[in-house]
Amino acid sequence: AQSVTQLGSHVSVSEGALVLLRCNYSSSVPPYLFWYVQYPNQGLQLLLKYTSAATLVKGINGFEAEFKKSETSFHLTKPSAHMSDAAEYFCAVSVGEKLTFGTGTRLTIIP
Amino acid sequence: NAGVMQNPRHLVRRRGQEARLRCSPMKGHSHVYWYRQLPEEGLKFMVYLQKENIIDESGMPKERFSAEFPKEGPSILRIQQVVRGDSAAYFCASSPVVDWDWVRRYNEQFFGPGTRLTVL
Repeated sequence: AQSVTQLGSHVSVSEGALVLLRCNYSSSVPPYLFWYVQYPNQGLQLLLKYTSAATLVKGINGFEAEFKKSETSFHLTKPSAHMSDAAEYFCAVSVGEKLTFGTGTRLTIIP
Repeated sequence: NAGVMQNPRHLVRRRGQEARLRCSPMKGHSHVYWYRQLPEEGLKFMVYLQKENIIDESGMPKERFSAEFPKEGPSILRIQQVVRGDSAAYFCASSPVVDWDWVRRYNEQFFGPGTRLTVL
């Protein structure tokens, strides 16, 4: 069985500062990994995905994530936070057809 | 190409009533997934369907919940005799046909805006 752990249910960063959202996974087989963003009262939008190609994955809105097998991690980063990045972020793992999500990290941007 | 559509967006039911949630997948997608998001939690997988078939319902509660994806029309998630604990956001996702000649072909899921169910 696979699982995802997101460290920090709430993260606050200043506008222009580095964004780092942490995700660790557990999987018995090589996983596919994803980051989704959810804005208030909306559905989930895919930010980026890792599917066993390059370990550094670039996504939309300036986000990227690095797959580190030795650390079983897939942390999400953005060099400079914008106010529009305020949202809930979910890490997810897929083995087979269904996605298993973490509990989410709410990102707040401080002006 | 319209995205995944869900209706209603908001649904209020009293305890004991039935709730019907609808999901229209993206054009050309024949796989549908339902997830439930409880307050302050991540999404939990409920069920995976293809046209006229339930493929995986390992996340569905054993009682009161059912899902279908008929040959024609939207996928329906049905909750009978709702209780307050059913209050949640229910999300549908769809994906295109999977080519199972390839091992572990990744199949991206596209999410709808969700239905927020409130049970009074």
